Amino acid sequence: KAGVTQTPRYLIKTRGQQVTLSCSPISGHRSVSWYQQTPGQGLQFLFEYFSETQRNKGNFPGRFSGRQFSNSRSEMNVSTLELGDSALYLCASSLSGEGTQYFGPGTRLTVL
Amino acid sequence: AQSVTQLDSQVPVFEEAPVELRCNYSSSVSVYLFWYVQYPNQGLQLLLKYLSGSTLVKGINGFEAEFNKSQTSFHLRKPSVHISDTAEYFCAVKEADKLIFGTGTRLQVFP
Repeated sequence: KAGVTQTPRYLIKTRGQQVTLSCSPISGHRSVSWYQQTPGQGLQFLFEYFSETQRNKGNFPGRFSGRQFSNSRSEMNVSTLELGDSALYLCASSLSGEGTQYFGPGTRLTVL
Repeated sequence: AQSVTQLDSQVPVFEEAPVELRCNYSSSVSVYLFWYVQYPNQGLQLLLKYLSGSTLVKGINGFEAEFNKSQTSFHLRKPSVHISDTAEYFCAVKEADKLIFGTGTRLQVFP
């Protein structure tokens, strides 16, 4: 089975722009979670989607949003980018939210 | 809310020596615990997990971990490390539908 895929792998944006990241889960997995990884804050939970519904959200500002499509693919969007948004964004999928999460390779976002 | 503590930010060790990476979690009625490994410029790879049952859990690459409820610990061990084990290791606990991670332990294996 193919693993979790994320596109793009690397992204460079400037402050004030917006960005959309994409995640394709393992086939058959219906839950997709997003995490932000930074040297200062470590790994932090952003949100989780299951069957196109956001079930859980972390403590991030409203500039961070996401959605899930009927094929379980997910996107996350960050609007009005700030320098502090520079991070590795990781997507994880599981059969259901309660299951083991399997991670993709991440998208490295750099905000200049 | 759950929390995870990884006391050692870095662990240097020589090749073929044993290693233990420590992880403590905040107590709860029941916990699901995980260890993930992250190699440079990559995502997280699942090493092993504890959901229930035997307290000694075996994972990939020769790693194992022991769940200790009384000490609220889930330490990761390997009897003989290899250069290729050099990576960042994260302990995590499941809370609802999300993972709460420790701050990570950098394992550096020297020849």
